[in-house]
Amino acid sequence: DVKVTQSSRYLVKRTGEKVFLECVQDMDHENMFWYRQDPGLGLRLIYFSYDVKMKEKGDIPEGYSVSREKKERFSLILESASTNQTSMYLCASSSLGATYEQYFGPGTRLTVT
Amino acid sequence: GQQVMQIPQYQHVQEGEDFTTYCNSSTTLSNIQWYKQRPGGHPVFLIQLVKSGEVKKQKRLTFQFGEAKKNSSLHITATQTTDVGTYFCAGFTSGTYKYIFGTGTRLKVLA
Repeated sequence: DVKVTQSSRYLVKRTGEKVFLECVQDMDHENMFWYRQDPGLGLRLIYFSYDVKMKEKGDIPEGYSVSREKKERFSLILESASTNQTSMYLCASSSLGATYEQYFGPGTRLTVT
Repeated sequence: GQQVMQIPQYQHVQEGEDFTTYCNSSTTLSNIQWYKQRPGGHPVFLIQLVKSGEVKKQKRLTFQFGEAKKNSSLHITATQTTDVGTYFCAGFTSGTYKYIFGTGTRLKVLA
């Protein structure tokens, strides 16, 4: 069974703090993704990576950065958290190519106060 | 930019009634995937459609990809309480080389 794990289920941070969200997958997938999920807006892609040290911007990359130093691990970084980054963050992974399903982690609900 | 809209946003049905959610893209899609997210859970892959006009069935669920590959639908026959959740479509375009998720349809089934 594919397993995608995320470092925290719930996180509360203060405005201006640097926040790290980590994601680990155990299926040797090339692709990894970070989404944020907000009511009425669906899942919006922040960044994705198709290989170690490679990254591509998604639809809403502003205020975020990512790091992929190892194939199984993909980190999302909020350099200076703001209240409008309060959201559910979902990590996903898939095999390389357009026809492969994405496997999602359980999500991290981040609250920035 | 490319958009994928889903309607309706919410749907409440009585158990046993049918349910349909529609997915519409502003651009032609290479393929489309459907996911289900149970309350408190994460999205789980249901199916993928690739061909124009393709229809696939999974028990009570029927998935359709439009002839122009710009829209898709998911139909559930005789809903059950286990169908509760949010259904997302995700369209892929070769130009952007990424999936764009729809806004989702939240289904509530009343027993």
